[in-house]
Amino acid sequence: DAGVTQSPTHLIKTRGQQVTLRCSPKSGHDTVSWYQQALGQGPQFIFQYYEEEERQRGNFPDRFSGHQFPNYSSELNVNALLLGDSALYLCASSYGTHSNQPQHFGDGTRLSIL
Amino acid sequence: DQQVKQNSPSLSVQEGRISILNCDYTNSMFDYFLWYKKYPAEGPTFLISISSIKDKNEDGRFTVFLNKSAKHLSLHIVPSQPGDSAVYFCAASAETNNLFFGTGTRLTVIP
Repeated sequence: DAGVTQSPTHLIKTRGQQVTLRCSPKSGHDTVSWYQQALGQGPQFIFQYYEEEERQRGNFPDRFSGHQFPNYSSELNVNALLLGDSALYLCASSYGTHSNQPQHFGDGTRLSIL
Repeated sequence: DQQVKQNSPSLSVQEGRISILNCDYTNSMFDYFLWYKKYPAEGPTFLISISSIKDKNEDGRFTVFLNKSAKHLSLHIVPSQPGDSAVYFCAASAETNNLFFGTGTRLTVIP
């Protein structure tokens, strides 16, 4: 039973470029959330997708956008990359959006901006 | 504004002894609290959770205690094992399962 899978594992971009990160949820899960983890910090919620719609959003600018596909997989897009976007990007999946449904995380994509 | 705080960046414990990791929160709307464990180069792994209507939840060697009046929760690991060495994150959610995380505590269990 595959868990949450993310691709790529590492990525290097330059300022101003655009990036797309991908996530496949754990089997049986229909909800995908994205988090940004800066060095030495805890993960910060970016947004959550359920039924192919963005349901919740954290305090991130609209340079951060996403998509969920009919097979529940998801993409995170970041435009006009800044040096401060360098971080570990984590995808998490769950069955539904209620707080009693724990999220299960992938191993993340390490994004470095030069 | 950090709504979930872990004030101890690190903790060292002898193998076989108890590890106690602490967490404080400020938002009284939080209704679920979770602990995650993270090894290097891996994503956080769900460990244990507790609903705000309970004050204790136990799963094997792991017990989480919740004190709502103090807005404080703790994770007890007994007995501690070297494989428990990792970074532990406290997290909380309100109605939906979007998580607010603390900054983590690095636990080192000394053989």
